[in-house]
Amino acid sequence: SAVISQKPSRDICQRGTSLTIQCQVDSQVTMMFWYRQQPGQSLTLIATANQGSEATYESGFVIDKFPISRPNLTFSTLTVSNMSPEDSSIYLCSVDKGRETQYFGPGTRLLVL
Amino acid sequence: GENVEQHPSTLSVQEGDSAVIKCTYSDSASNYFPWYKQELGKGPQLIIDIRSNVGEKKDQRIAVTLNKTAKHFSLHITETQPEDSAVYFCAASPYNAGNMLTFGGGTRLMVKP
Repeated sequence: SAVISQKPSRDICQRGTSLTIQCQVDSQVTMMFWYRQQPGQSLTLIATANQGSEATYESGFVIDKFPISRPNLTFSTLTVSNMSPEDSSIYLCSVDKGRETQYFGPGTRLLVL
Repeated sequence: GENVEQHPSTLSVQEGDSAVIKCTYSDSASNYFPWYKQELGKGPQLIIDIRSNVGEKKDQRIAVTLNKTAKHFSLHITETQPEDSAVYFCAASPYNAGNMLTFGGGTRLMVKP
């Protein structure tokens, strides 16, 4: 498995501001992912965080709104930019330890007022 | 792309009874099927997974079955306990899809003592 931490664990933000979420893994991993989980809903993949290159975004998600960094094999950040109440969600990072098995962090609970 | 349907959305059982959650998928190229358990305030936890080269896998009180012809897979929990109460998600990953997971809508399982 993997030990994954996320910071902050929760936050309350004002609309129009931005929040950067950090994801730290206890070992080097090739693949890191960012998901959004809207209240009472399932998980939707935002993007794959690629080390040394630009993130790969899924349909409906754009770099201007969700810029992602991946400076090394154990760390990634997701920024939620120019937030609106519709961005209130749980944001989850996950890592692939091999053979497609993904492990998730504890999540960041974001409320936008 | 892949589409995963999960049923039921809620399931209430008496402690000691069995619980079954079913998922269907659309992409016949999918070959990896994990199940996650998400407790309140936590990230999803991988509880069991199955690959397309096997039809059934067991781990203590948990089992998963896969029918590739019918494109459905199921989670079976026997001798349920109150601590099994959580939201369960199934997922599917097509071969060579870059480790992408498509999630079902989730099942809220309530085990009544």
